[in-house]
Amino acid sequence: AQKVTQAQTEISVVEKEDVTLDCVYETRDTTYYLFWYKQPPSGELVFLIRRNSFDEQNEISGRYSWNFQKSTSSFNFTITASQVVDSAVYFCALSEAQNTDKLIFGTGTRLQVFP
Amino acid sequence: NAGVTQTPKFQVLKTGQSMTLQCAQDMNHEYMSWYRQDPGMGLRLIHYSVGAGITDQGEVPNGYNVSRSTTEDFPLRLLSAAPSQTSVYFCASSPWGNTEAFFGQGTRLTVV
Repeated sequence: AQKVTQAQTEISVVEKEDVTLDCVYETRDTTYYLFWYKQPPSGELVFLIRRNSFDEQNEISGRYSWNFQKSTSSFNFTITASQVVDSAVYFCALSEAQNTDKLIFGTGTRLQVFP
Repeated sequence: NAGVTQTPKFQVLKTGQSMTLQCAQDMNHEYMSWYRQDPGMGLRLIHYSVGAGITDQGEVPNGYNVSRSTTEDFPLRLLSAAPSQTSVYFCASSPWGNTEAFFGQGTRLTVV
C-alpha cells in the first residue's frame, strides 16, 4: 500500500535558521513520483518540486534543496536561511506510475518562521 | 489564464441538503481531481477523471458524485450533506498523470 509519512507536525524556527522537513514514503511500485507542495496562510497549494524514482540526484533551487534517498525511502526538504515568508504548511506527496493521477499526501508539516 | 477556478469559496449547508461544487479549468488539462482537506489528515482524494466521460473513485468517495461531460468542467455533487463532510475542498488539474497539479483556491464547506 502507498503511504506518505511526515512525522513533524509543526516546526518553529527563527529567521535565518536552516530547517529540514522530513518525508518518508512507502510504495511497492518501482516507478513512482514524489512531490512537495506549499500551502501558505492564504490557503492555495503551490507546487515546489517533482522527482521520479530513477533520479536520485539532489536538487537545489535558491534557498530550497531536496535530498532523495531510495535506500531509506525518504525525500527530505531543506530550507536554508529561512525567512518569514517561508511560513506555511508543506506537504509531501507520492504518485505511482500505475495510478497516474492518484496523489497520496502526507499529513503536512506546519513551519513557522519567527522574525 | 484563470487556471483552476472553484465556486463558491464558502458555503454553509444544513444536514440533508444537496449542492454542487463547481470546478473549471482553462488549461485544456485532461486530468482533474477533487480532494478534501481535514485538520491533521492532509489531502485525501475523493474522485478523479483522466478525460471527458471518464471518472473513477479515490480514497474517500462515499457521499459524493462526479461527472465529466467536458474537458473544462468537473463538478462535485454532495447528495445529502452530513456534518462529516465539513471540510475544505480542492479541485486540481494536470495535463497528464504523475506531473505537477494545479490547484484551485478551495471551497470551505460547513454542514450544520
